[in-house]
Parts: sequence; structure tokens; C-alpha cells
Amino acid sequence: NAGVTQTPKFQVLKTGQSMTLQCAQDMNHEYMSWYRQDPGMGLRLIHYSVGAGITDQGEVPNGYNVSRSTTEDFPLRLLSAAPSQTSVYFCASSPTGVETQYFGPGTRLLVL
Amino acid sequence: AQKVTQAQTEISVVEKEDVTLDCVYETRDTTYYLFWYKQPPSGELVFLIRRNSFDEQNEISGRYSWNFQKSTSSFNFTITASQVVDSAVYFCALSEAQAGANNLFFGTGTRLTVIP
Repeated sequence: NAGVTQTPKFQVLKTGQSMTLQCAQDMNHEYMSWYRQDPGMGLRLIHYSVGAGITDQGEVPNGYNVSRSTTEDFPLRLLSAAPSQTSVYFCASSPTGVETQYFGPGTRLLVL
Repeated sequence: AQKVTQAQTEISVVEKEDVTLDCVYETRDTTYYLFWYKQPPSGELVFLIRRNSFDEQNEISGRYSWNFQKSTSSFNFTITASQVVDSAVYFCALSEAQAGANNLFFGTGTRLTVIP
């Protein structure tokens, strides 16, 4: 098993550009989530999904969209990047909604 | 509202010293889960432990131990005989048993530096 994979590892965007952060897991986990990590603020939940076709908002959803068309993939879309979205993004998954989450390696995003 | 407080922003210890990382949480749920994750300098998040609110037994795993006290809403983490490889940021997190979801609320982390 590759576990939770994220691409790209690092990305630089200009303000207003769009992009998709990819997240995939090969463990057949139902639950997947996206967090952002900012200095001094820990990790904060952006969006989550409890299964294919089901998504919901977390603590900081503004500026981000998600979809879950398959169990394996949970992409995070930035429609119009802003400097405030400069952060490290982590994807996580767990077998069900109440078990331990395991994190991907992260994507470092810089918005100029 | 749920909240996790890690009051210690940074701690430095000399190798082989013991160190305790504090975690205090707030929740209105009677069923919840507490976690510790380690983030080494390489940046990944490594799961260390998960505890549910009904299990207050302390746990030991090698040099790591955890003390869960519901009376003080604390879930502290002790590293015995610290090593340089323990240098990392440690996060405490809380998850409430909402139906179908396991969203984590993280503390702001404690950066531990072990000096050789």
C-alpha cells in the first residue's frame, strides 16, 4: 500500500490562478479530509468526506472546493488563489468516520 | 465549542532528560477521542496514540507515556530519556463522536528540541 499520496509536493501560484491539489489513498478508506497548516495555528479542517459522493465543510472552507467521485480520490480545488492561501496542505484518511486518520506527506503552496 | 490548548510553544531539553508535553481540551460531548501526532523536521505527520473518553488508563509505549485525566481535561505526553530523534513539533488533537465524521481539532503544537 502506498497509503495517502499527495501531489504536487510544492507549488507556486500567482494571485488569481486556479489549481487542484491531488490526494489519493489505496486503503479503501471511506473518510477523507483536507487540512491546512499555518505557523502558530496548528492544523485546521477545510473540507471532509465520509464517502464517495458526500462532502461537507470544515472550519475554513472559503476559497476551496472539493468533490469525491471515487473512494480513492479527494481533490482540493482553489478557484482563484489568494496570498492568504499560502500554507501547507495535508490530506488524511481513515477507514470510517470514527477511526484514526493517517496523513499524506503534504503540499506546500505559495501564492504570490 | 471544542478547543485544544497546548500552552507550551517551545521546549528545550538536554538529551536523556525526561520531558512532559501538556494538552488541555474542552468539549461538551461525553464521547470523544484524543490524539497525539508528531511532526519531525521532514514535515510529515506521524500518528502516536488515540484514546477514547471512556478509557482513562495511562499508556506506555517504550519511552513514551500518556496520562489522561478527565477530571482536569488533560492528556499529557511524557518522553522518558529523550533523544535527539525526538526533536519535532508535537500536536494534540480532539475528535468528537459526531455521526459519521471524525474531524480533528488540533492544538497549536509544542516544538521540542533535544540538545545532544
